[in-house]
Amino acid sequence: RKEVEQDPGPFNVPEGATVAFNCTYSNSASQSFFWYRQDCRKEPKLLMSVYSSGNEDGRFTAQLNRASQYISLLIRDSKLSDSATYLCVVFSGGYNKLIFGAGTRLAVHP
Amino acid sequence: DAMVIQNPRYQVTQFGKPVTLSCSQTLNHNVMYWYQQKSSQAPKLLFHYYDKDFNNEADTPDNFQSRRPNTSFCFLDIRSPGLGDAAMYLCATSVGDLNTEAFFGQGTRLTVV
Repeated sequence: RKEVEQDPGPFNVPEGATVAFNCTYSNSASQSFFWYRQDCRKEPKLLMSVYSSGNEDGRFTAQLNRASQYISLLIRDSKLSDSATYLCVVFSGGYNKLIFGAGTRLAVHP
Repeated sequence: DAMVIQNPRYQVTQFGKPVTLSCSQTLNHNVMYWYQQKSSQAPKLLFHYYDKDFNNEADTPDNFQSRRPNTSFCFLDIRSPGLGDAAMYLCATSVGDLNTEAFFGQGTRLTVV
């Protein structure tokens, strides 16, 4: 079983749609969680950290469920510029390891 | 200003010819990571340093080595590149504490001919 698993893509949605991505992790000792965005042939960039209480940044909402070892990302009112691959990242503090999921590709069309 | 700098951005090497990729940081972060990313795949952790402590992933081939001579610099050495080693190599840094993000360099795209 992979340490971090994500919904397979691609997700093709129209502008203005709401889309949700899911991610599960296998190591119950994982301590920090992030969503990164990666554009084609570019390096990953932090989209948002994920906190236990859930957090929101504009059109983006992240949720963490430690009991189910599950992370989600919700994007509301999708824009063309949201088209990218979204990577779920888990940090295991005991080993200082950042582990990436395979990513979910989002394509927003007019 | 770039905080994690990778050189070169593009590297072409011959099959079997040793190659070194470099990464430098101005963040004074404790942890430096090297990832390999192939097309449409997740970045795969090869190894990382916490300060001078080296942590190798169990499935990282012996062909890949790393050096961290000081806090600012980290090198990835590929002793005998094969065609299957063609990929984007990403360097990242983090403080190493909880809830801190990783900062990535722009990557080095390696081509093996």
